Formats: sequence, C-alpha cells, structure tokens
Amino acid sequence: ETGVTQSPTHLIKTRGQQVTLRCSSQSGHNTVSWYQQALGQGPQFIFQYYREEENGRGNFPPRFSGLQFPNYSSELNVNALELDDSALYLCASSLAGPLYEQYFGPGTRLTVT
Amino acid sequence: GDSVTQMEGPVTLSEEAFLTINCTYTATGYPSLFWYVQYPGEGLQLLLKATKADDKGSNKGFEATYRKETTSFHLEKGSVQVSDSAVYFCALSDMTTDSWGKLQFGAGTQVVVTP
Repeated sequence: ETGVTQSPTHLIKTRGQQVTLRCSSQSGHNTVSWYQQALGQGPQFIFQYYREEENGRGNFPPRFSGLQFPNYSSELNVNALELDDSALYLCASSLAGPLYEQYFGPGTRLTVT
Repeated sequence: GDSVTQMEGPVTLSEEAFLTINCTYTATGYPSLFWYVQYPGEGLQLLLKATKADDKGSNKGFEATYRKETTSFHLEKGSVQVSDSAVYFCALSDMTTDSWGKLQFGAGTQVVVTP
C-alpha cells in the first residue's frame, strides 16, 4: 500500500510569484486535506477536497486555491506569494467521514524570498 | 472558535523517565481528540485518539484520557526512550458538524530524551 506522497520536497520562490504543490493520496482514499505549518507552530487547516469539490476551508485568503482530480490526487496553488507563506505544507488523505484517520505526507518546504 | 492549548517545550528528560504533556481544549460541539507525533524531517503520524468523554487512547506505551469536566487530554508515558524524541501535537476535530475534516492543532511540544 502506497502512502501519501508530496512533490516537490523543497521549493524556493520569490515574493509575488505563484506556486503549485502536488499530493498523491494513499490508495483507496477519496478525501484530501491541506495544512500549512509555519516554523515552530502547529499545522493550520487550509481546506479539504472530497469528490473534486472543496469541502471546508480554514481562514486563508482566496489566493490559496486547490484542485482534486478524478484519481483523488490534489494540487495546492498559491498566487502572489508573500514572505509569510514560507512554511511546510502538509497534505493528508483519508476516507470520507469523521470516523476515518487522516494520513499525512512528508510535506513540501516552501521558502519565499 | 475551537482551540487547543498545550504546554510549551522543549521538555528534556532522561531515558526511562515519566513523561506528561498537558493539553487543554475549548470546543462548542463534541470533539474527538488526538495526539500526533512528528519525527525530524517527517510528516505527522497519529499516535492515539479518543472520540468521547472518559475514553482512553493508547499506543506504543503512550496514553491519554478524554476529560470533559476539565477539557483536557494530557499525554503520558511511563518510561521514555531516546527514540521518543520528537514534537508532539494535540489536536481536535468536531465530528458533529460539516467541519469533520478540519483538525485544529496545538502549537506542539518538543520532547528531547537523553541517554
């Protein structure tokens, strides 16, 4: 069984640029959640996707957007990057519903200069 | 809104010492409570969970009891090993609303176990 994978591992961008991060769900999982973890902080919920639709969103501006594909993989897009967007971005997959555990990937480390 | 507060680290212990990490929460609904662990350079792993009051979650020698009266979910281990060195996160999820997929995390507590 393949776990959750994310790409790239590390990324350096300049303020104002756009970035796309990718996540492949664990086999059989149909729900993907994205989290932002700033250095020394706990992860913050960005949004969740289920059946290719956004299914809940945290307190993040619209320049954070996402997609889920028919194979349940997902992308996180961030436009107009700001220095404060520097963080570890974590993807988690699960089956749909409150009883199911979220399985986290290793994350993508984004640095904005 | 819902929130989680956990004790600040780092917590430094000798091998075989007793570990406690305090976690308290505020929630308007009926949350499930979790402890996640993050080893250096890795993502989060679920350590244990409890879904209702008085439930005890346990795994790998770690335990935590869901205390609704004190809104707490303290993590304990009787004898830590060097391999337990990691960052531990307390989290909640309100399972009774449409936000079941949203995990609310505390700031994390770094634990360092020395030989």
